[in-house]
Amino acid sequence: EIQMTQSPASLSASVGDRVTITCRASQSISNYVNWYQQKPGKVPRLLIFAASTLQSGVTSRFSGSGSGTDFTLTISSLQPEDFATYYCQQSYRTPWTFGQGTKVEIK
Amino acid sequence: QVQLQESGPGLLKPSETLSLTCSVSGGSMIYYYWTWIRQPPGQGLEWIGYIHSSGTTKYNPSLEGRVTIAVDTSQNQFSLRLTSVTAADTAVYYCARPDTSGWYPISIWGQGTLVTVSS
Repeated sequence: EIQMTQSPASLSASVGDRVTITCRASQSISNYVNWYQQKPGKVPRLLIFAASTLQSGVTSRFSGSGSGTDFTLTISSLQPEDFATYYCQQSYRTPWTFGQGTKVEIK
Repeated sequence: QVQLQESGPGLLKPSETLSLTCSVSGGSMIYYYWTWIRQPPGQGLEWIGYIHSSGTTKYNPSLEGRVTIAVDTSQNQFSLRLTSVTAADTAVYYCARPDTSGWYPISIWGQGTLVTVSS
C-alpha cells in the first residue's frame, strides 16, 4: 500500500497569505495525485488532478505541482472561503490512499 | 448532470451486515469505476473499493474478506456490503464516481450517509 504523508497536519494563516501544503508518497507515483477540499459537514470537492491540472470551475488561486514522491498544493492568496481541510490522494495503484489531511485555520 | 444518492440503515449492532445502495441519476453507468469511500467521525478519508461497470472489482486489503461491491446497471445502482461490523466501521459512507481520465479524480460524490455501529 502506498502511504501518503501530508504536512503540516494543521496551519493557521491570515486572509491574503500564501499557503503551501506538502504531500509525500512512500514510493514514486509519477503524477498520479489528486487534491480535495473538504469543509465541515460537507462532501469533499476535487480541486486538482494529475498533480497540477486545475479542475473545471476551481479558482486559479489553487495550484499544484510535483512528480515522483513529492507534491505541493498552493493557495496563492488565502480567502475566507478557503478555510477547510485539504487531502491529497494517489491513484497510481490500488488501494487508492489519501493523506491524513491538512486543516487550514484562521489566524 | 450525474447525481449520486446513498441509502440504507443508519444504525447497526456489532456483528451485523452493513448494506448500502447508491442510486445514480442523470447519466450512464457504463465505462466508469463506481466507488465507495468512508470517513470516520473527525478522521480522514478511506477508499473502500470500486466496481467497474463491466463487473471488475478492487477492494481495500484492510477490508478484504468482509466487503462486497456489486453493480446493477439496469437499475442504475451499485451497492456496498460489509459484514461483521464493529464500532470501527462507524463512519460517513460516500458513494462516488471517478472521472475516466487515467488519474481517476473523484469529481462526483454522493452526499454521504452516516452509519453508526453500536450495541
